[in-house]
Amino acid sequence: DQQVKQNSPSLSVQEGRISILNCDYTNSMFDYFLWYKKYPAEGPTFLISISSIKDKNEDGRFTVFLNKSAKHLSLHIVPSQPGDSAVYFCAASAGAGGTSYGKLTFGQGTILTVHP
Amino acid sequence: GAGVSQTPSNKVTEKGKYVELRCDPISGHTALYWYRQSLGQGPEFLIYFQGTGAADDSGLPNDRFFAVRPEGSVSTLKIQRTERGDSAVYLCASSLLGGATGELFFGEGSRLTVL
Repeated sequence: DQQVKQNSPSLSVQEGRISILNCDYTNSMFDYFLWYKKYPAEGPTFLISISSIKDKNEDGRFTVFLNKSAKHLSLHIVPSQPGDSAVYFCAASAGAGGTSYGKLTFGQGTILTVHP
Repeated sequence: GAGVSQTPSNKVTEKGKYVELRCDPISGHTALYWYRQSLGQGPEFLIYFQGTGAADDSGLPNDRFFAVRPEGSVSTLKIQRTERGDSAVYLCASSLLGGATGELFFGEGSRLTVL
């Protein structure tokens, strides 16, 4: 039972263009969502997050959009840079504000390649 | 170092053997987590420690898996009678509870291969 799904295994984008990574979830109890980036042979690193009380959160080139009715979120990277090439994981948690923060359910990941 | 440290980085063992994986969290982080990442999948939650106690071990797949954190800092994940299906990257993460974002800081992982 995959509660968090990233249906695109890979995405290829030209430098300077927008990268859009998508994520769907099924568990209505999820109320906090995060994106992590992972380079080879390294652990995932936190990128950006959004609470279910918001529909958008922006941090520099990265923006996360949340559509609760559709149980869908997306990560936009503008403009994309070659250094953004990595695996991106969507993650979700239930019970924001409590210990559940660290109990994350991850998607399968999307490999982003940004070509110069 | 300032980050989460995991040892060994690579471990190859034979089916049926016992394995220990160590995690040294970021100093001052009271929360510690173990995750497991199989090939082509995202990390999967195993266990969460708050201080010395396991607050949530619901992700441990069976009783061959056990983890301890006796002094509230370093943690050891122990796997008995290893099976080929245990082959994965075992990730440790730590965090400050009460942080605004709840973000986890992950180590580089311990890659376990069971032959």
